Amino acid sequence: QSALTQPASVSGSPGQSITISCTGTSSDVGGYNYVSWYQQHPGKAPKLMIYDVSNRPSGVSNRFSGSKSGNTASLTISGLQAEDEADYYCSSYTSSSTLEVFGGGTKLTVL
Amino acid sequence: QVQLQESGPGLVKPSQTLSLTCTVSGGSISSGGYYWSWIRQHPGKGLEWIGYIYYSGSTYYNPSLKSRVTISVDTSKNQFSLKLSSVTAADTAVYYCASKMVTRQYYDYWGQGTLVTVSS
Repeated sequence: QSALTQPASVSGSPGQSITISCTGTSSDVGGYNYVSWYQQHPGKAPKLMIYDVSNRPSGVSNRFSGSKSGNTASLTISGLQAEDEADYYCSSYTSSSTLEVFGGGTKLTVL
Repeated sequence: QVQLQESGPGLVKPSQTLSLTCTVSGGSISSGGYYWSWIRQHPGKGLEWIGYIYYSGSTYYNPSLKSRVTISVDTSKNQFSLKLSSVTAADTAVYYCASKMVTRQYYDYWGQGTLVTVSS
């Protein structure tokens, strides 16, 4: 069982917006602004999409945005495109001895 | 642009030691400033942090694996390695090497991953 909780799947039609949640505790998501989001296509390595809750690395589309409220972080993808279909993982620093934790992943289907 | 590449056996027998190496190109491990990490992904599952090492040799391990994990660095070859002892089928996973700046809490460079199957 992953330390951070994500929905197993979400779906949306092209052009729509979707939001993926990532729920943790005050020891990780809620306690620090160190939430990151990764996109993973089948058979590929994860790719950083959002870091420090809401920052986008250079080259990542501005259709991707991140936010946080309390112990829950969110990734929003607007203007859905077929290429966005992938698995998405959240991650956070944690004050526990584990140091960092990941979510179980969310499969995004573009209908 | 830093590039990472995992290498090692794709099949390991139960109770034996899994050994993988990550070769770094486009940057020098000994220049400092980065943690060099191992992360695994069980088939169809999420990501699990295994541990990381600094160029000086300082290591940090996931407590759940600490008793079986050793991460080492060879700055002369610009490589770092993972050893996981007493493996079982539960250690079957895709193993990724990745790096993050010591002042950051995210991974910006990843290897392509290598599948290691534990089976007799």
